[in-house]
Amino acid sequence: DSGVTQTPKHLITATGQRVTLRCSPRSGDLSVYWYQQSLDQGLQFLIQYYNGEERAKGNILERFSAQQFPDLHSELNLSSLELGDSALYFCASSVSPEETQYFGPGTRLLVL
Amino acid sequence: GQQLNQSPQSMFIQEGEDVSMNCTSSSIFNTWLWYKQDPGEGPVLLIALYKAGELTSNGRLTAQFGITRKDSFLNISASIPSDVGIYFCAGQLEGSNYKLTFGKGTLLTVNP
Repeated sequence: DSGVTQTPKHLITATGQRVTLRCSPRSGDLSVYWYQQSLDQGLQFLIQYYNGEERAKGNILERFSAQQFPDLHSELNLSSLELGDSALYFCASSVSPEETQYFGPGTRLLVL
Repeated sequence: GQQLNQSPQSMFIQEGEDVSMNCTSSSIFNTWLWYKQDPGEGPVLLIALYKAGELTSNGRLTAQFGITRKDSFLNISASIPSDVGIYFCAGQLEGSNYKLTFGKGTLLTVNP
């Protein structure tokens, strides 16, 4: 158990819908990262937050957005969902951006 | 985006055998990390490497940060059935604001 929690574990929804994935970092970690894992693209970095502020962006679509709240938990919002958005979404956290990242168990999203 | 070339893609070995996998890139990395992912779980950190030439062990696992900072390898000695899983290398590119780039993974199967 890495100490990073993610909810829900599984999510099934329809195309065009919007979902919110939630992540609670390890106690004491200020940085949160979101990754998408699919069979064809592998693990892809989406976005990083540090102490509530966006720090870096990766291959994140405009239909996706995220934020980190004052209590340091983070949410990833996926809207206008498409079939290709079906994937595993992982959250990771670290004490600070240069420290090791620890991954949560992931949310498996299925868009039908 | 930046790619890490991880090889081999898959390995099928007998229990007790040693295993070696590696990652290479055309770019320079500041940090190399090796993760293991079990089905339905998030990646779990095995070894972190922070300096060129660094050789680090974690039980039966040994990893090295290449001198050129463009490659890393992971060795597993005396494999056991619970070593089965997908092994990922990941690196933090110089100047990338600490976001991780992942290899495509090596699927390891151990035959008892």
